[in-house]
Amino acid sequence: DVKVTQSSRYLVKRTGEKVFLECVQDMDHENMFWYRQDPGLGLRLIYFSYDVKMKEKGDIPEGYSVSREKKERFSLILESASTNQTSMYLCASSLTGGMGNTIYFGEGSWLTVV
Amino acid sequence: AQSVTQLDSHVSVSEGTPVLLRCNYSSSYSPSLFWYVQHPNKGLQLLLKYTSAATLVKGINGFEAEFKKSETSFHLTKPSAHMSDAAEYFCVVSDRGTNAGKSTFGDGTTLTVKP
Repeated sequence: DVKVTQSSRYLVKRTGEKVFLECVQDMDHENMFWYRQDPGLGLRLIYFSYDVKMKEKGDIPEGYSVSREKKERFSLILESASTNQTSMYLCASSLTGGMGNTIYFGEGSWLTVV
Repeated sequence: AQSVTQLDSHVSVSEGTPVLLRCNYSSSYSPSLFWYVQHPNKGLQLLLKYTSAATLVKGINGFEAEFKKSETSFHLTKPSAHMSDAAEYFCVVSDRGTNAGKSTFGDGTTLTVKP
């Protein structure tokens, strides 16, 4: 089974802090994604990466950056956390860019910014 | 361009009765369609997917969905609801013009199962 692991399930950070959310997948998938999930807004794509060191902006990239130095690891970075970034963050991966490929999700990271 | 509409934000059924979660889609190409389930405080798990093979797709936990091109629908059904089915369900579309990373998610349908 594919496993996508988000190392931190629950985090509380202060406004202005730099925050790292880490994600690792164990199935050699080319694609990795970061989504944000908020009540009433569904899932929104922040960034995705289709190869090491390659990234593409999603629908809501403002205030976020990403890093993919190794194929299995994709990090989401909040350069200066703000309260409106309090949310559930979901990491995911898929085999290739093919449209029929399943996206596999991690368990999510709940971030609260105070 | 692609889009997906889940027609009900909340569905409530009694245990043992049928489940119907409705999804309509729009796609410029022949799409792939997915249903995912999300239990509280968990990530999303694939229930089933359609990728241009059989139009009736069977998934896990007794769920199935039928792709109807003429109606641009991909409704999710289950003959008999179980308490453990209570969760949020997402319909997802991905068409030939998009990378899987830019699949479009519906807003979700919350399924409540009453004893």
